[in-house]
Amino acid sequence: GENVEQHPSTLSVQEGDSAVIKCTYSDSASNYFPWYKQELGKGPQLIIDIRSNVGEKKDQRIAVTLNKTAKHFSLHITETQPEDSAVYFCAASSNDYKLSFGAGTTVTVRA
Amino acid sequence: GAGVSQSPSNKVTEKGKDVELRCDPISGHTALYWYRQSLGQGLEFLIYFQGNSAPDKSGLPSDRFSAERTGGSVSTLTIQRTQQEDSAVYLCASSFHAPGTGSYEQYFGPGTRLTVT
Repeated sequence: GENVEQHPSTLSVQEGDSAVIKCTYSDSASNYFPWYKQELGKGPQLIIDIRSNVGEKKDQRIAVTLNKTAKHFSLHITETQPEDSAVYFCAASSNDYKLSFGAGTTVTVRA
Repeated sequence: GAGVSQSPSNKVTEKGKDVELRCDPISGHTALYWYRQSLGQGLEFLIYFQGNSAPDKSGLPSDRFSAERTGGSVSTLTIQRTQQEDSAVYLCASSFHAPGTGSYEQYFGPGTRLTVT
């Protein structure tokens, strides 16, 4: 089955700086890569996703890049704000519904 | 509108007891998913329901786990003869479109925290 590895497990950044989270996947058939943000006591919420026919996608301060050859994808958050503090999960899927998640990255934005 | 709701929010049970966890998906969503999130870990896929199709049960960890979805809406995850390793947060999600139609976003509920003592 699919194996998704995520790094780093924790990330502390100064407000205004950028944050980068990296994930690798094992199944070359995977073609859908969503990123979820989970705040304390809540369920994960989709923040951005990318399909395998696209190399990069942006949404305001958030961007995701995908390298299918190397089987890795990354989340970039620019101009970080305190409300960006949360746990971020990457995921991969080859059939659109069965998501394999990374272990998560706890992001702390220091004011 | 109302999001995915789950009940109870917390459940403490003794080892060996059966538990039932409930999920109310967003109205009109055709697909429903159950995940398990152990402390400090990512989400582990358990089961997927899509309309009237046979569910994908490939993620259920043992035959003590079962789930049903009645009337294409509410779902119940049942764990029989609970063990301490079953302690985790159980998350439910729903989505509107079937896979292949271009919409993949899964909307998650807040989860049920299960503690087996």
